[in-house]
Amino acid sequence: EAGVTQSPTHLIKTRGQQATLRCSPISGHTSVYWYQQALGLGLQFLLWYDEGEERNRGNFPPRFSGRQFPNYSSELNVNALELEDSALYLCASSSGTSGTDTQYFGPGTRLTVL
Amino acid sequence: AQSVTQLDSHVSVSEGTPVLLRCNYSSSYSPSLFWYVQHPNKGLQLLLKYTSAATLVKGINGFEAEFKKSETSFHLTKPSAHMSDAAEYFCVAVNSGYSTLTFGKGTMLLVSP
Repeated sequence: EAGVTQSPTHLIKTRGQQATLRCSPISGHTSVYWYQQALGLGLQFLLWYDEGEERNRGNFPPRFSGRQFPNYSSELNVNALELEDSALYLCASSSGTSGTDTQYFGPGTRLTVL
Repeated sequence: AQSVTQLDSHVSVSEGTPVLLRCNYSSSYSPSLFWYVQHPNKGLQLLLKYTSAATLVKGINGFEAEFKKSETSFHLTKPSAHMSDAAEYFCVAVNSGYSTLTFGKGTMLLVSP
């Protein structure tokens, strides 16, 4: 069974540009989560999508947005990039919305903002 | 709100010696708790999870953790470290009702020969 996949592996952008990151969940999983792992800040929850709807978002500005497609894959968009957006962005998926459902993580997309 | 504190940013052990990675949580109720491991340049892998069943939880690769409500702790242990255990370990609490995770800052485990 294929795991969570993310693309691209690495992304280099300049300040002010937009970045688009993609995630494909494990087959059968309907929930997708996005996390940011920035140096010195640890892992922080960004967004949660389930059945195409945004269910919750973390303490991030509105320029971080995303969507979930009918096939449950997801896209994270970061507009007006700032230097501090440089981080590893991790996507996870789960088969349910209970807090005890295991979240399975992808390998991440490393975003570098110059 | 949930919070998770990992008491050590780095732990160094010799191969074959016991491992103890410490985690305390803050919650007004018994949370669901997880330990994840992150090897260099890889994603997070679930080691084990506590969901209010048995307080001693066994995970993969010989790791286990004990939930102690009186101490609000969920420490991760392994009897004998292996070189392949060198990685960063995260203690994680679930924000029940939101299905999102709160991560500790991580503990880097260094294993020397």
